[in-house]
Amino acid sequence: QQPVQSPQAVILREGEDAVINCSSSKALYSVHWYRQKHGEAPVFLMILLKGGEQKGHEKISASFNEKKQQSSLYLTASQLSYSGTYFCGTEGNSGGYQKVTFGIGTKLQVIP
Amino acid sequence: NAGVTQTPKFQVLKTGQSMTLQCAQDMNHEYMSWYRQDPGMGLRLIHYSVGAGITDQGEVPNGYNVSRSTTEDFPLRLLSAAPSQTSVYFCASSYRADGDIRNSPLHFGNGTRLTVT
Repeated sequence: QQPVQSPQAVILREGEDAVINCSSSKALYSVHWYRQKHGEAPVFLMILLKGGEQKGHEKISASFNEKKQQSSLYLTASQLSYSGTYFCGTEGNSGGYQKVTFGIGTKLQVIP
Repeated sequence: NAGVTQTPKFQVLKTGQSMTLQCAQDMNHEYMSWYRQDPGMGLRLIHYSVGAGITDQGEVPNGYNVSRSTTEDFPLRLLSAAPSQTSVYFCASSYRADGDIRNSPLHFGNGTRLTVT
């Protein structure tokens, strides 16, 4: 029940905007977003919770549609540092334990 | 704080050998987990632990064992390595925020790149 991400890859010029989508076939409690640069560990960007609360610390926004089981990550005025692979991770409603299931990632390249 | 520390960074094994991937965190996080990352497959959960003495299986547990004797450490054991276990392994930890562990971000270690020949 891996979430599906789209697009799989995108190339942007500096200053352009991008949207990365994540959809799940199961009911969701929360959606995580991480960015991973080549050869490095994934780094937390944001958590979106059921009920609308959003937790994050980067200048990146996101939305979470609980009914459609979808989330979107919005990257505006992209910078070279935004390059990397973006993963969404989903958490279901069942149980009180954290079992984050990740999508296969969206590779984002920002060029000058 | 060092955060989540994984050792070794690189390892080459022969088929049938055993080894332990080490993971330690100094943030007093109660939750720890192991993921493997393969090209085109994203991050897949192997095992996780919600506290010392408590572990459970993730999506791809076969061929791996874990134990959690302390809050800080969560080693991953490969009893008999197979080429299919060639991968990059990430350990992650998190804490119970706002009373719900599911509200918390995962803090990842820098990974162990394992090759089984």
